[in-house]
Amino acid sequence: KAGVTQTPRYLIKTRGQQVTLSCSPISGHRSVSWYQQTPGQGLQFLFEYFSETQRNKGNFPGRFSGRQFSNSRSEMNVSTLELGDSALYLCASSLEGSPYGYTFGSGTRLTVV
Amino acid sequence: GQQLNQSPQSMFIQEGEDVSMNCTSSSIFNTWLWYKQDPGEGPVLLIALYKAGELTSNGRLTAQFGITRKDSFLNISASIPSDVGIYFCAGLVRDYKLSFGAGTTVTVRA
Repeated sequence: KAGVTQTPRYLIKTRGQQVTLSCSPISGHRSVSWYQQTPGQGLQFLFEYFSETQRNKGNFPGRFSGRQFSNSRSEMNVSTLELGDSALYLCASSLEGSPYGYTFGSGTRLTVV
Repeated sequence: GQQLNQSPQSMFIQEGEDVSMNCTSSSIFNTWLWYKQDPGEGPVLLIALYKAGELTSNGRLTAQFGITRKDSFLNISASIPSDVGIYFCAGLVRDYKLSFGAGTTVTVRA
């Protein structure tokens, strides 16, 4: 079966711009979680969506937002980009949200210049 | 979220060696998970630990859930070149949110 697909793989944006990242989960998975990965910081939880509803949210500013569509695909948006937003953004899908069943995508590498 | 301290930050290992890494926290976790991330890929779950004191193996990998529920370790026996990558510990409290350690980067010395 197809894995978790994240697009685009690489992105370069300028400070102040906004960006939208996409995550297509494994077919049948209804939960999508987003994480930010930076060197030395590990993965930081952003938010989790289940059946189009945000169930959990991490400690990120309001510039970070997301949504989930009826087909379970999810998008993440970052507005007013800052240099510190440069990171690998990973999404993980699972049937119902349990991390035991996470399948991660390969990520989107965002560079803010 | 909870802070996980993972050590060592990086290590060079000789092929055939046994290696160990650990994770500690000031908070209690109900579940400990260990992931491996290969270059250019997302993390993949290696081992999940559900009970304090539990010792679980997956091939050459062995992990333990500490008795205090505040720590866990991962051992790799007889390391091989494909063991290269970043290993993450993660703790789960509730609500499906994971707290990750900063990772241990493993490089195999030729």
